[in-house]
Amino acid sequence: DAMVIQNPRYQVTQFGKPVTLSCSQTLNHNVMYWYQQKSSQAPKLLFHYYDKDFNNEADTPDNFQSRRPNTSFCFLDIRSPGLGDAAMYLCATSIKTGQETQYFGPGTRLLVL
Amino acid sequence: AQSVSQHNHHVILSEAASLELGCNYSYGGTVNLFWYVQYPGQHLQLLLKYFSGDPLVKGIKGFEAEFIKSKFSFNLRKPSVQWSDTAEYFCALSAYNTDKLIFGTGTRLQVFP
Repeated sequence: DAMVIQNPRYQVTQFGKPVTLSCSQTLNHNVMYWYQQKSSQAPKLLFHYYDKDFNNEADTPDNFQSRRPNTSFCFLDIRSPGLGDAAMYLCATSIKTGQETQYFGPGTRLLVL
Repeated sequence: AQSVSQHNHHVILSEAASLELGCNYSYGGTVNLFWYVQYPGQHLQLLLKYFSGDPLVKGIKGFEAEFIKSKFSFNLRKPSVQWSDTAEYFCALSAYNTDKLIFGTGTRLQVFP
């Protein structure tokens, strides 16, 4: 089945140690999104790619970076994770922006020790 | 700024009871509105969406939602819930022709047999 895949499902890292989360999709969608969801809070958009064009949200910390080497893959890099970065990270895709439905992966839960 | 409010954080119902989950939004322009559901251990998936036209939208699994522009609301309803409807429900909006989904904080629904 076509889908959005996130690996790993759980990630433990140490305070200040760089970590990379990955997302892949078999839907061949143009747009890929990264959301952060902290406990009992709404998912919050960090950034998205429309093809190779990167769109950062104004309030996304510089500590968060992203790479999209090809249509299928997108990575979230946290350069120096702090305790406050512990959250669920959701990847989503859509055919194009605007009115299109977003399709979500299962998420990666990040724990920072 | 755009925002979404879900006032019911946790709803507990018995099977066959009727359901209505509240969603109010804040935005002065044209909006697209969504309800997403997250079943235990699964990813977020679309229940239904409103872009234009008939304000009463029908989705999967017997759910429907009504867009009332004058009240800035998009409440989710189901006449008779089942145990399998136990999940977290998120209301979301995107401003017309924009890329960003703004989520509410979610409502956890528990249905007991």
